[in-house]
Amino acid sequence: AQSVTQLGSHVSVSEGALVLLRCNYSSSVPPYLFWYVQYPNQGLQLLLKYTTGATLVKGINGFEAEFKKSETSFHLTKPSAHMSDAAEYFCAVSDFNQAGTALIFGKGTTLSVSS
Amino acid sequence: DTAVSQTPKYLVTQMGNDKSIKCEQNLGHDTMYWYKQDSKKFLKIMFSYNNKELIINETVPNRFSPKSPDKAHLNLHINSLELGDSAVYFCASSQDRGLAYEQYFGPGTRLTVT
Repeated sequence: AQSVTQLGSHVSVSEGALVLLRCNYSSSVPPYLFWYVQYPNQGLQLLLKYTTGATLVKGINGFEAEFKKSETSFHLTKPSAHMSDAAEYFCAVSDFNQAGTALIFGKGTTLSVSS
Repeated sequence: DTAVSQTPKYLVTQMGNDKSIKCEQNLGHDTMYWYKQDSKKFLKIMFSYNNKELIINETVPNRFSPKSPDKAHLNLHINSLELGDSAVYFCASSQDRGLAYEQYFGPGTRLTVT
């Protein structure tokens, strides 16, 4: 079965600093990986996804992630944090489930941004 | 123009009651899902439908019954509500059931059972 581990339940950065949110996956097949963001009292919004092809994936709001098969990682980065980036971030892997597929989520990382 | 909408956004009810949550998507997608987010923000799949057919039925109490009247709508009915049912329930949809399709989430329904 697939699984996702997000290292660091809480990450704090200063405005303008680099954001690095860590995600490692476990998969017996080539993975399909996603990063979602959840702002307070809102639903989940897709930031970016990796399916096949280029291992550096660019997403919305200046975020990007790099798929590293040798390290089973899919870390999320942003060069310069904004106050508006403060939110909960979830890494997920897509997994076969019965007759469909479902997202297997990590436990999430809370990003705090200080001025 | 909301892609995936849910009603109600908040639901406060007493133990033992029966309640329903409704979901609609206007993306033309074939597959819809219910996820539960617990108090620690952990998200877990509950059910999935593809074109009105139930394709994922996780191990949840049979007090939870999903229904999909058409491929744009997915409802969740919960009987005899318990304190442990308090959570945020998210509806999602995807173009199809395959691994590569991203899922679009609704705003969630926060259920509080007292």
